[in-house]
Amino acid sequence: GAGVSQSPRYKVAKRGQDVALRCDPISGHVSLFWYQQALGQGPEFLTYFQNEAQLDKSGLPSDRFFAERPEGSVSTLKIQRTQQEDSAVYLCASSFLHSANYGYTFGSGTRLTVV
Amino acid sequence: ILNVEQSPQSLHVQEGDSTNFTCSFPSSNFYALHWYRWETAKSPEALFVMTLNGDEKKKGRISATLNTKEGYSYLYIKGSQPEDSATYLCANYNTDKLIFGTGTRLQVFP
Repeated sequence: GAGVSQSPRYKVAKRGQDVALRCDPISGHVSLFWYQQALGQGPEFLTYFQNEAQLDKSGLPSDRFFAERPEGSVSTLKIQRTQQEDSAVYLCASSFLHSANYGYTFGSGTRLTVV
Repeated sequence: ILNVEQSPQSLHVQEGDSTNFTCSFPSSNFYALHWYRWETAKSPEALFVMTLNGDEKKKGRISATLNTKEGYSYLYIKGSQPEDSATYLCANYNTDKLIFGTGTRLQVFP
């Protein structure tokens, strides 16, 4: 596709429910990143993939968060047993090369509200 | 994680005014500084990727400068327009990923 696509756009989950957020990066982009943006904050790094390999997951806040990119294209961020503090916008971005010199292309984000 | 700070947090200007805001970042082990514009209900959009000390980049009415020795970058908007209203994010490339500031929220009133 022309851009990075994320779905769903909005998700309301009851506390304790599991959710799965999908990211479809630009075709051919090697690197894929997930960020979490809480209200009033900047995007905070969660994890990144180079092709199918998850090279850094240091930003995942707890073991309830899990991300995968099994075939090196589409990625899913799963949150188990959601808590209210998980309410945030989850942004996905992809980049053609994993390099400081390349900008990221972001999706529109998934706004998760846990009630 | 090394902090990236942006100021001011928000800014309201009149159409036609010029404005600028600041991004400060750790000056050690510098690789790159990115600027993004994020309009409400849209995706963050890359504005500039800056790597060289003293670099200045321009895109229309928006320009940015970079000082890697002292660890700051300025973003300038000349003759602000209502369509410039957005959150402007800067990000420092560190340990193979971008570390973002909290952004400057700009509102331009007609």
